[in-house]
Amino acid sequence: DTGVSQDPRHKITKRGQNVTFRCDPISEHNRLYWYRQTLGQGPEFLTYFQNEAQLEKSRLLSDRFSAERPKGSFSTLEIQRTEQGDSAMYLCASSPGGRGTEAFFGQGTRLTVV
Amino acid sequence: SQQGEEDPQALSIQEGENATMNCSYKTSINNLQWYRQNSGRGLVHLILIRSNEREKHSGRLRVTLDTSKKSSSLLITASRAADTASYFCATDVSGTYKYIFGTGTRLKVLA
Repeated sequence: DTGVSQDPRHKITKRGQNVTFRCDPISEHNRLYWYRQTLGQGPEFLTYFQNEAQLEKSRLLSDRFSAERPKGSFSTLEIQRTEQGDSAMYLCASSPGGRGTEAFFGQGTRLTVV
Repeated sequence: SQQGEEDPQALSIQEGENATMNCSYKTSINNLQWYRQNSGRGLVHLILIRSNEREKHSGRLRVTLDTSKKSSSLLITASRAADTASYFCATDVSGTYKYIFGTGTRLKVLA
């Protein structure tokens, strides 16, 4: 098991462009989470999936953001019409589910909007 | 929004000393987890303590949980330069499956 994998690790994009990030969770983990982290802050919850169902979305997830988890395996996070304020580290985590289980994080995708 | 707050925000100690950091949270929880994050990297899971547990150990780590005070502490004994990182607590809020993170403690261990 190679852990949670995120791709790309770094992304630089021009304002107004669309970007898509991918997360591959630990196999057989049915919960998958997306977080955003800015410099000097703790990770902020964006959304999570139980298998392929998106069960909760933060108000931080504006209509420019969309996340999917087709077939309950990998997930994608798309940001449309990027803004400079979207610059952050986007973290993905997975857990096996059930109460009292650990969430394991990937290395993150660092987005810079210029 | 962030439910937890770590205290202190920053801590600088000499190698070999113990480091203690605290986490306070606001709502009922199922469990609380501690993570370490090296600069610009992902989060590494350190330890999970359930709401019905009061203390847990893992190697040089000791975690306590006081649900009546809605607080937890992480003790790192015999610190090493490699322990230099930011440490976050995360709570699994009762009634949800999401984890809410605190603001973090930046620990610097001087060799």
